Amino acid sequence: GQQVMQIPQYQHVQEGEDFTTYCNSSTTLSNIQWYKQRPGGHPVFLIQLVKSGEVKKQKRLTFQFGEAKKNSSLHITATQTTDVGTYFCAGRGDSNYQLIWGAGTKLIIKP
Amino acid sequence: NAGVMQNPRHLVRRRGQEARLRCSPMKGHSHVYWYRQLPEEGLKFMVYLQKENIIDESGMPKERFSAEFPKEGPSILRIQQVVRGDSAAYFCASSPDSPGNIQYFGAGTRLSVL
Repeated sequence: GQQVMQIPQYQHVQEGEDFTTYCNSSTTLSNIQWYKQRPGGHPVFLIQLVKSGEVKKQKRLTFQFGEAKKNSSLHITATQTTDVGTYFCAGRGDSNYQLIWGAGTKLIIKP
Repeated sequence: NAGVMQNPRHLVRRRGQEARLRCSPMKGHSHVYWYRQLPEEGLKFMVYLQKENIIDESGMPKERFSAEFPKEGPSILRIQQVVRGDSAAYFCASSPDSPGNIQYFGAGTRLSVL
């Protein structure tokens, strides 16, 4: 079945360093969404990308959707302690009405 | 506009008891999804419902688990004869129309089975 692979599973960074998580789908996606889950919290919607090659920014966060609409990335510049949490991508297939979730990347800030 | 409401927030059950988890979607949302999350793991899709209909239950264990979304009232996820392996956080999400659209999550129910 359709899968969305997300890597890495964990990323440890020093505060102020950058962070990137990647998602790859086995098939073309009609859109991809990104969610953030703080420790002990629930997933919260961040952004949706729809167009091939789309790039969107939210302050220090940059989201990209690949030209083939099969991959996406989230990049955080100069991480802060408030960025800690798990970032999930979720893609909707062209022929599948459901969201297919990545396994998440946990951002850990080293003390 | 109230968000997705889940209750209880925490639920403790002994092995063999039943657990009932409730979810009231956001106002105007007719699509409800249930997910399970084990500690330090990702979200596992369980079931997708619209009012009075189960659309996709491919992620739901075949035994002991059931879900409903009646015409009136909240969606219910029911786990019969709970076992320790059922201990997890159960999240409900809702969306306004197409299931591929943005999902709004409740705060979750943390189920602990003793």
